[in-house]
Amino acid sequence: DIQMTQSPSSLSASVGDRVTITCQASQDITNYLNWYQQKPGKAPKLLIFDASNLETGVPSRFSGSGSGTYFTFTISSLQPEDIGTYYCQQYDNLPMFTFGQGTKVEIK
Amino acid sequence: QLQLQESGPRLVQPSETLSLTCTVSGGSIGYRNYYWGWIRQPPGKGLEWIGSISYGGNTYYNPSFKSRVTISVDPSKNQFSLRLKSVTAADTAVYYCARRKPYLYHFDYWGQGTRVTVSS
Repeated sequence: DIQMTQSPSSLSASVGDRVTITCQASQDITNYLNWYQQKPGKAPKLLIFDASNLETGVPSRFSGSGSGTYFTFTISSLQPEDIGTYYCQQYDNLPMFTFGQGTKVEIK
Repeated sequence: QLQLQESGPRLVQPSETLSLTCTVSGGSIGYRNYYWGWIRQPPGKGLEWIGSISYGGNTYYNPSFKSRVTISVDPSKNQFSLRLKSVTAADTAVYYCARRKPYLYHFDYWGQGTRVTVSS
């Protein structure tokens, strides 16, 4: 099984800060990685697909990069509405989909 | 605007079968061969993919559930369903239904989720 390790598990940053979350795969998954945002009490929302593609309607302050085993998700300027938990999701070993453990983002 | 809505019992007895239905509105469940899936989230924990089904009825399950899970689709009602048998307290979770486009491997529309508790 492919294991996804997300870090940090939580972070606290100020409005306007640049925030970076990483997701490491236990084996090469090419660019088969997506990122979701989950606000408290809500369903996850797709932000980034195929490692670096911004989903339609998602603000451009969100971005993703990486390939192989190491991926990063960045919020260029943290906004109050960005609080929530962020998950990576890999799909290298279809039909299985595996999510990372999540990173909780809070405002300092 | 596509909408997905989960429904079903909120409380299930241990060893019984959990049954949920996802009703799709604002679009046809058979349109463009979309895939329809179930994902769950235990309290305070992360997301776990349970399985998916195509409009044509092809099913794909997480091996962790394979012996207990059945996903089916009813195009006439624009619904798809989840059955998870022999449940335990570990199956207590928020259950989400979601859509995946063919040849794309992300879930772009989600239901709001329904909390199911397994308890006597």
